[in-house]
Amino acid sequence: GQSLEQPSEVTAVEGAIVQINCTYQTSGFYGLSWYQQHDGGAPTFLSYNALDGLEETGRFSSFLSRSDSYGYLLLQELQMKDSASYFCAVRAADSGYSTLTFGKGTMLLVSP
Amino acid sequence: DTEVTQTPKHLVMGMTNKKSLKCEQHMGHRAMYWYKQKAKKPPELMFVYSYEKLSINESVPSRFSPECPNSSLLNLHLHALQPEDSALYLCASSQAGAQETQYFGPGTRLLVL
Repeated sequence: GQSLEQPSEVTAVEGAIVQINCTYQTSGFYGLSWYQQHDGGAPTFLSYNALDGLEETGRFSSFLSRSDSYGYLLLQELQMKDSASYFCAVRAADSGYSTLTFGKGTMLLVSP
Repeated sequence: DTEVTQTPKHLVMGMTNKKSLKCEQHMGHRAMYWYKQKAKKPPELMFVYSYEKLSINESVPSRFSPECPNSSLLNLHLHALQPEDSALYLCASSQAGAQETQYFGPGTRLLVL
């Protein structure tokens, strides 16, 4: 099976930088994904790391260390619209098929 | 185009009703998924279809019955549901490979009375 740990809540102010950490335990690991979900909405794909290192997409960056079973999502120049839940998700092999297992989610609250 | 569509957006049903949720994608994806999400919780995988064949059933009760009529469509038939089945039901799709990104539809918010 898989398990993931991420903080339940993070608060920050507009313009700041915030890092959301994720540690995982899994077998058959393929990679770590990040999804954003606004209240009442669907999860939206943000990023995916299969190899160690940093991936940058605009204001968002994601990092993975496979040896440490650890990753993080970095959000820069925070905006009010970034207030949402952020899920890390492990992509792993399950009976020969790739599945996603989600962490419990981190609620990010951005204040003015 | 990374759009997955789901209908209906909202559904209220009684415990004796039969209803169906529908999901459609036109991205040429060959893997489709049903997830269930309760409030303040992460999505939980229910079913995976790969090349129109059911490949994973995560011990879901038989009152949920998935169907994949073709590579673009995925249905979830509901019968004799319980109030605790009230949740957001999310459909997702991806290319059929271990590294492929899953794209989610907007979900159907289901209330069972």
